[in-house]
Amino acid sequence: DQQVKQNSPSLSVQEGRISILNCDYTNSMFDYFLWYKKYPAEGPTFLISISSIKDKNEDGRFTVFLNKSAKHLSLHIVPSQPGDSAVYFCAASPYTGTASKLTFGTGTRLQVTL
Amino acid sequence: GAVVSQHPSWVICKSGTSVKIECRSLDFQATTMFWYRQFPKQSLMLMATSNEGSKATYEQGVEKDKFLINHASLTLSTLTVTSAHPEDSSFYICSARDPSKGAGNQPQHFGDGTRLSIL
Repeated sequence: DQQVKQNSPSLSVQEGRISILNCDYTNSMFDYFLWYKKYPAEGPTFLISISSIKDKNEDGRFTVFLNKSAKHLSLHIVPSQPGDSAVYFCAASPYTGTASKLTFGTGTRLQVTL
Repeated sequence: GAVVSQHPSWVICKSGTSVKIECRSLDFQATTMFWYRQFPKQSLMLMATSNEGSKATYEQGVEKDKFLINHASLTLSTLTVTSAHPEDSSFYICSARDPSKGAGNQPQHFGDGTRLSIL
């Protein structure tokens, strides 16, 4: 049972344009959502997160939007840069605290072309 | 920021041997660490939660006797893959959250992973 889904396995965007990565979840107990960037043979790098009490969080070129009623979140990267090319995972956890577990989506491979 | 170090980064060994992977929190103390496994082109799957000074909590379907976890100090957790076989070949990643950042929502920080190849 895939509780966090990223339905687009890959996305190609031209440099300078906006990249929009989508994520859907089914567990209504999820309270905290994160986006990670991952290169091959490396661990995920934290990008940005959002709590369920918010619907938007922005950090530089990265903005995460949360639609709780639709159980949907998205990551916007603008402008996209070639260095953004990587696999992006969304993740969710049901509660706060150091012991809360993350459930990951299947990832979206972003390719930013020149 | 919080740094998690994992060692070794790559292991190749014969079937039947045991392999130990270390996960260290370098600039914070972690009472809880997490171990994940990732197969090629798949998601990260949580294997177990490592608790300092107590037994690890394993996810459903993960064999505790196969994947031994020890969290003997606040900065070190180890995962030992016992009697490894080719099907255990995978990418293993650990993570931890810095509790000093507060009790609120804080991200987990990941090590760089260990690629295990069993021949």
